Amino acid sequence: AQKVTQAQTEISVVEKEDVTLDCVYETRDTTYYLFWYKQPPSGELVFLIRRNSFDEQNEISGRYSWNFQKSTSSFNFTITASQVVDSAVYFCASLSGNQGGKLIFGQGTELSVKP
Amino acid sequence: GAGVSQSPSNKVTEKGKDVELRCDPISGHTALYWYRQSLGQGLEFLIYFQGNSAPDKSGLPSDRFSAERTGGSVSTLTIQRTQQEDSAVYLCASSRGRGATYNSPLHFGNGTRLTVT
Repeated sequence: AQKVTQAQTEISVVEKEDVTLDCVYETRDTTYYLFWYKQPPSGELVFLIRRNSFDEQNEISGRYSWNFQKSTSSFNFTITASQVVDSAVYFCASLSGNQGGKLIFGQGTELSVKP
Repeated sequence: GAGVSQSPSNKVTEKGKDVELRCDPISGHTALYWYRQSLGQGLEFLIYFQGNSAPDKSGLPSDRFSAERTGGSVSTLTIQRTQQEDSAVYLCASSRGRGATYNSPLHFGNGTRLTVT
């Protein structure tokens, strides 16, 4: 069965610090997809990134970067030079290619960036 | 529409009453999902529609919960005889393809906050 674990429930940093949000996934499928979503205080979930299981290339988008490592079943998310606007709950999710489209979410990590 | 629309945004109901929550997905999106987010909890999958059929209802917590989708568009989640533990934010999402595949991520609505008193 699929499972996503985000061990960090809450993280608090000061503005301009770098912060890494951990995500560990479990799946028996060879084809799967991994996602990160952001849920700001307004409540709407915002899609950030997706990776498939065949592409371990890390990705950088501005201050955001993602480190996908199949060897450790991890898909960690780093925010460089954090800003107050980054404060949100961040969810990691996985989708098995055989599961008909059901995204399984982790419990979320609440990030608080203080000025 | 421009995004996934859910109504009402807030609903307060008395224990034992039935409620209906509505989701209007993005136009052209064939896949539709319902999730539940309880206070301090992650997102709990409830049900997934592909077109009008529901290939996965495994997340519905009890037979008090049901959902339907008509015309491949609007979906309604119904909770009968509501209980206090049903209080949560109910989120709807849609995607273009066969579920949230690599090329078709989920787009979420703002949710319906349900409070059962």
